Parts: sequence; structure tokens; C-alpha cells
Amino acid sequence: NAGVMQNPRHLVRRRGQEARLRCSPMKGHSHVYWYRQLPEEGLKFMVYLQKENIIDESGMPKERFSAEFPKEGPSILRIQQVVRGDSAAYFCASSRGGSSEQYFGPGTRLTVT
Amino acid sequence: GESVGLHLPTLSVQEGDNSIINCAYSNSASDYFIWYKQESGKGPQFIIDIRSNMDKRQGQRVTVLLNKTVKHLSLQIAATQPGDSAVYFCAENLNAGNNRKLIWGLGTSLAVNP
Repeated sequence: NAGVMQNPRHLVRRRGQEARLRCSPMKGHSHVYWYRQLPEEGLKFMVYLQKENIIDESGMPKERFSAEFPKEGPSILRIQQVVRGDSAAYFCASSRGGSSEQYFGPGTRLTVT
Repeated sequence: GESVGLHLPTLSVQEGDNSIINCAYSNSASDYFIWYKQESGKGPQFIIDIRSNMDKRQGQRVTVLLNKTVKHLSLQIAATQPGDSAVYFCAENLNAGNNRKLIWGLGTSLAVNP
């Protein structure tokens, strides 16, 4: 049973470009969470999604950031018009419906130049 | 060795010693707590969890203690090994209806000296 998959593992974007981060949850998991981590800091919650629904996006910046988890395919975290301050590691976690234990992917490290 | 919450983010211990990592959580309504281990360049890895109706839970070489009175959580690692070197995070799970997002502490870096 494969774990949570994230790709790409490393992503470099110039200021103003778009970044798309993908997350495939563990088999049987229908809940996905996105977190952001700056160096030497803890993870900060961004958004919680179930299939085709955003449950909580209270941690998402109001502009430029969006997330989706379609019926088919991976969850996507999209950052438009990236700025240097978006450089961070972005982690995805998944869980079974109703379970609290979240399993994390290896993360995508975004660097904005 | 013992760390004191967020004020001492680095803990250095000798191999074979016991380690104690402390964490102060923020919300009295949190009902579930988890310790994660994160090695450099990797995602967090679940270590052990505890629900708010318990005050102690033991795993393999690890014990979590929960003191709800002072909103304090600790992770004890017995016979610390070099492979235990990592950053350790506590996370609280605020059960707001169906929303189970995790709120993370700053983390403590554990260095094990051979």
C-alpha cells in the first residue's frame, strides 16, 4: 500500500509564475490536508478537503492560493503569481473519513527566484 | 536530558540516555494530541498519540504524558539511539465539528551523541 505521494519533490519558479503542487492520498483515504512549513518552524495548516469539497480553508491566504480535490485524480494546491515569500516546503497529509491520524507525504519544496 | 517547551528548541543527549521533550498546547478544547518525528528533508512521521480522556500512553520505547490542568504534553524516549535524531513536533487536534485540522508546536531538535 503506497503512502501519500507528492510531486514534484522540488519546484523552482520565477516570481510571477504559477506553481502547481500535487498530492495523491493513501489508498482508501478521502480526506486531504495541506500544510506549509518554513525552515526551522512547525507546520501551518492551510486547507482541509474531502472529495470535491473544501471543508476548511481558514489557513489559506485570501489571494493567489487555491486548492481542489476532484472526484478523480490528485489534490492540487495552486499558487498563482508566486512571490519569494511563498518559498517553503508544502506537505500534504491524508486520513480515512472520521479518523484523526494523518499520514504525511514527503513534501514539495518550492523555491521562488 | 529535558527540554522546556518552546524556549529551548534544541536538546542534546548521550546515546543510551532517556530523553524528555516538552510541549505546551494552546486550546482547552483540543481532544487529541499527536507527536511527530521529522527527519531532515522528509515529511513528519507519526510516533504516538493520546486522547484527552487519558493521561499516559506507552509505545515502543516512547511514552506520552498529558496534563490537561496545565495544558502540557511530554514525550519520553527511552534509551535514545542515534536514529532518534530529528525534530519532534507536538500537534493538537481541535475537534471543531467535523474539522480535524492539526495545530503544530514549534518543534524541538533532538541530537543524540554517540
